[in-house]
Amino acid sequence: GQNIDQPTEMTATEGAIVQINCTYQTSGFNGLFWYQQHAGEAPTFLSYNVLDGLEEKGRFSSFLSRSKGYSYLLLKELQMKDSASYLCAVMNRDDKIIFGKGTRLHILP
Amino acid sequence: DTEVTQTPKHLVMGMTNKKSLKCEQHMGHRAMYWYKQKAKKPPELMFVYSYEKLSINESVPSRFSPECPNSSLLNLHLHALQPEDSALYLCASGELKGQGYGELFFGEGSRLTVL
Repeated sequence: GQNIDQPTEMTATEGAIVQINCTYQTSGFNGLFWYQQHAGEAPTFLSYNVLDGLEEKGRFSSFLSRSKGYSYLLLKELQMKDSASYLCAVMNRDDKIIFGKGTRLHILP
Repeated sequence: DTEVTQTPKHLVMGMTNKKSLKCEQHMGHRAMYWYKQKAKKPPELMFVYSYEKLSINESVPSRFSPECPNSSLLNLHLHALQPEDSALYLCASGELKGQGYGELFFGEGSRLTVL
């Protein structure tokens, strides 16, 4: 079966750092994605990890450990516009991209 | 601006109607996807087309019928839907191999209401 777990909600303060964790169990692994989705809008791509390690892109970084079935998304210097849902998604061996339930991130001033 | 265009943005239909959702991309991607998303839920995969052929059907009811007329277009034909089919329908495209493999580009979605 396929299982992707991430926290349902998180709250952080403007200017701070937040880490959103994701664990997964899938039939094969061809990569892990993080997407941002604002309410009522389509998901937008943030990052892609297929090898172990940290990928940094501006204020956002994503980490992957394939042996642990674990990833995290790190957001630095939080801004109010970062309030959104963050979706962890995994591509399995059949090239299906399966989404986790998403983490709603609330940013407080 | 999204490079995947979906029409219509909003659709209201009765349970006996026949309608279609359309999706277009001009990025040369060889994979196109339909996802269904209910409020506060993640997108759920419905169909995947690879090289214009249906490669994945996630046991979607036959009242949803996908069609890929060419490499840039993807349609979703709707017939005899139920109120519980009301949702945001997202089209996405992506590469199958090489650079950019796996990343999905989403359209803005078509919000469907079935009365």
